[in-house]
Amino acid sequence: DTGVSQDPRHKITKRGQNVTFRCDPISEHNRLYWYRQTLGQGPEFLTYFQNEAQLEKSRLLSDRFSAERPKGSFSTLEIQRTEQGDSAMYLCASSLQAGSSYEQYFGPGTRLTVT
Amino acid sequence: QKEVEQNSGPLSVPEGAIASLNCTYSDRVSQSFFWYRQYSGKSPELIMSIYSNGDKEDGRFTAQLNKASQYVSLLIRDSQPSDSATYLCAVRGSARQLTFGSGTQLTVLP
Repeated sequence: DTGVSQDPRHKITKRGQNVTFRCDPISEHNRLYWYRQTLGQGPEFLTYFQNEAQLEKSRLLSDRFSAERPKGSFSTLEIQRTEQGDSAMYLCASSLQAGSSYEQYFGPGTRLTVT
Repeated sequence: QKEVEQNSGPLSVPEGAIASLNCTYSDRVSQSFFWYRQYSGKSPELIMSIYSNGDKEDGRFTAQLNKASQYVSLLIRDSQPSDSATYLCAVRGSARQLTFGSGTQLTVLP
């Protein structure tokens, strides 16, 4: 049983650089979510895919952020021109559209540090 | 007013006691409610989901939901030191994403 995986687990980058994170959901899950979590806070929603379609984006998601899910499998989240305020844990979650279950399962996260 | 509110704690209980964690939410159309456990430096782990008013039990965990009062709680019976973590309440409202509270830090003292 493989859960959600994310890569890399840690990323240190300098301000102004671009970074890209990858998420592989649980294989049969058709919904994929990105969240961001900072210290002492709960995860905050960034964006959501159903299959390959990006259906929702948070107002938190500035134009420096872009996400894709080609072919409805893995997803990537890119941050352009990183800022120190982007330092956070980036979490990916997936769920299966089935009946009334809306349970989301999280990956281990990618911790981003912008110096 | 935050959409999902939790007491930040820290909450300390002795080993073997019942830990009670509370959560209120503001979106009246919310239908799905979840509790996640998060150990320091780790990602959230789903431990309970509840969709209907009343109690739902799973092992040592009981989730309670009262939609009229917009209130969700989690009881942990026979608390163990390994239960020491931050517990996050999450609510699914009209949108598909989850809205999380800030979490309650629980410490179970041996």
